[in-house]
Amino acid sequence: DGGITQSPKYLFRKEGQNVTLSCEQNLNHDAMYWYRQDPGQGLRLIYYSQIVNDFQKGDIAEGYSVSREKKESFPLTVTSAQKNPTAFYLCASSKLRDSGANVLTFGAGSRLTVL
Amino acid sequence: DQQVKQNSPSLSVQEGRISILNCDYTNSMFDYFLWYKKYPAEGPTFLISISSIKDKNEDGRFTVFLNKSAKHLSLHIVPSQPGDSAVYFCAAIFVSYGKLTFGQGTILTVHP
Repeated sequence: DGGITQSPKYLFRKEGQNVTLSCEQNLNHDAMYWYRQDPGQGLRLIYYSQIVNDFQKGDIAEGYSVSREKKESFPLTVTSAQKNPTAFYLCASSKLRDSGANVLTFGAGSRLTVL
Repeated sequence: DQQVKQNSPSLSVQEGRISILNCDYTNSMFDYFLWYKKYPAEGPTFLISISSIKDKNEDGRFTVFLNKSAKHLSLHIVPSQPGDSAVYFCAAIFVSYGKLTFGQGTILTVHP
């Protein structure tokens, strides 16, 4: 079955540590995205990539980094510079379209807790 | 700057009745609007979308209405079922940019 796999589902981190969240898709989608969900704030875009070896900052990129070395993979690193990293992180992918609604397919999410 | 807003954090409805979820936006240049449904500890799933040139789109129990003059859209669920209990997000997109902007979400609870 095609889909998006995020791992780990739950992750605990000590302050000052970097952590990398994995996102893999087998949908042959060109574009991939990372969103963060906080209570009462909806989904906010961290980074997105429309092509291999290229990515753009979203609305809240500070303290995060990404790479897109393969079409299928878009890992997110939460660095120690991120002030409030505890959140639910969602990875998504989509086809690139020049018309029509851009429907994102989401993974199941990763919950990061900083102790 | 919140371009897409869902001003009702929660909504409670009796099974069989209509659920109406509302969403406001500020940018009249959005091309499409979408609704997503999310269960706890899962990713959102796509429900229904509407083009900015339409005023209504229907899919089974779900209907989305768009009022461009008021910059307002709504999702109607008829009849509501307990399995509809979830967080509902509206989202908007500029096709040329290819990324979605989400509202804060509304928690819908459908009571048996």
